[in-house]
Amino acid sequence: ETGVTQSPTHLIKTRGQQVTLRCSSQSGHNTVSWYQQALGQGPQFIFQYYREEENGRGNFPPRFSGLQFPNYSSELNVNALELDDSALYLCASSVRTGVNTEAFFGQGTRLTVV
Amino acid sequence: AQSVTQPDIHITVSEGASLELRCNYSYGATPYLFWYVQSPGQGLQLLLKYFSGDTLVQGIKGFEAEFKRSQSSFNLRKPSVHWSDAAEYFCAVGVVEGSARQLTFGSGTQLTVLP
Repeated sequence: ETGVTQSPTHLIKTRGQQVTLRCSSQSGHNTVSWYQQALGQGPQFIFQYYREEENGRGNFPPRFSGLQFPNYSSELNVNALELDDSALYLCASSVRTGVNTEAFFGQGTRLTVV
Repeated sequence: AQSVTQPDIHITVSEGASLELRCNYSYGATPYLFWYVQSPGQGLQLLLKYFSGDTLVQGIKGFEAEFKRSQSSFNLRKPSVHWSDAAEYFCAVGVVEGSARQLTFGSGTQLTVLP
């Protein structure tokens, strides 16, 4: 059991809508990363938060945004949803020490955009 | 930029047979390498990792992987596959870009186990 929990587990939204996904980090972890996994693909890095600030972003447009809270939980927000945003969204938490990038993943949120 | 290639999209083996899943990476610095497993509808579970030292690393569930710098490879092996090993397997390289520590994944290998 990794201790990283995500909600909701499944979600259906209409194109153009906005969505918020939530992640609760594993105890003691201060860094949260979000990944998008399209069907049949490997996860792709969206962004990372440390000390409530974004400190790295992958190749995703600004309509993907996030927050990290003082208790290290996190949100992923996606505005103006597109059909291609349909994917499994994974949250990963880690301890930011040196270059150790070992991350523990939640079970994901399956987003379907119709 | 870093990249990970998993040449085999789908592998089928019989239960009890040996397994090797291939992974090649491209990264300019010392790589931090990982293998994750994903069961249907689930998140990712870490099988093993390589940071430094012994190039043969042992993981959970009887898996091992060997880092070969000269071949830029990090292949995953298991001597005897169990039906419960059927899942998708992802190789990843951990990189530091700016302030972010992130994982770059391959596209995965789907493993089917025949009875």
